[in-house]
Amino acid sequence: KAGVTQTPRYLIKTRGQQVTLSCSPISGHRSVSWYQQTPGQGLQFLFEYFSETQRNKGNFPGRFSGRQFSNSRSEMNVSTLELGDSALYLCASSPDGREETQYFGPGTRLLVL
Amino acid sequence: GEDVEQSLFLSVREGDSSVINCTYTDSSSTYLYWYKQEPGAGLQLLTYIFSNMDMKQDQRLTVLLNKKDKHLSLRIADTQTGDSAIYFCAERRGNYQLIWGAGTKLIIKP
Repeated sequence: KAGVTQTPRYLIKTRGQQVTLSCSPISGHRSVSWYQQTPGQGLQFLFEYFSETQRNKGNFPGRFSGRQFSNSRSEMNVSTLELGDSALYLCASSPDGREETQYFGPGTRLLVL
Repeated sequence: GEDVEQSLFLSVREGDSSVINCTYTDSSSTYLYWYKQEPGAGLQLLTYIFSNMDMKQDQRLTVLLNKKDKHLSLRIADTQTGDSAIYFCAERRGNYQLIWGAGTKLIIKP
C-alpha cells in the first residue's frame, strides 16, 4: 500500500496570505490527524477527522481550519499567515478501530516571509 | 510538549545499547509511543505500548513502562549508525490527540 502523501512538500508564502495543504491517507484509513512541528514548540496536535467529521481539535486559533472529503483525503487551511506559522505540517492516518497507530506522511514545510 | 519530557541529546558508541528516557504526566494515558525522525523526513512509528503493559520487545527495541513513576524508556540494542535520528516519545490521551516530548537526538560515536 502507498503511504500517506502530502502536497506540496515545500511552500513559501508571505504574511497575510492564506495556504491550503493536502493530505491523502493510506488507502482504507478514514482517520486523519494534523500536527504542526516547530523548533520552539515541538509537535503540536491541530485536529483529527474521521469520516468527514472533525472529532477533536487542539489549541490553535481559528485561522487554522481543516476538512475531510468523502474519499478521506483531508485539507488544512491557514488564513492570514503569520511569521510564526512557519513550520513542518505533518499529517497522519490510522486504520479503523486502530486509532492507536498513526502513520505519518513526509510533511509540508511552510515558510512564511 | 511540556507534559512529556525527554533529554535533548544522547551520545553512545556504535555497538553499545542506547537507552532513551521519557516521563509523562497523565496517568490516564492509554498508549505510549516511540517515533523516529530522520533529517528531512517525517515521523516513523517505531513501537508503542498499551498502558497496562510493563514491557514490549521487538527485535532490537525494548520498551519499558513504569506506570507508577510515569516513566517510559526505549532501549536500542547494538546501536548502529543508521539509528542516528531524533526519537520522540508521545502519549495518547483519552481523546485522539497525541502529546509529544521535545525529542531526543541520538548521536552515534564510531
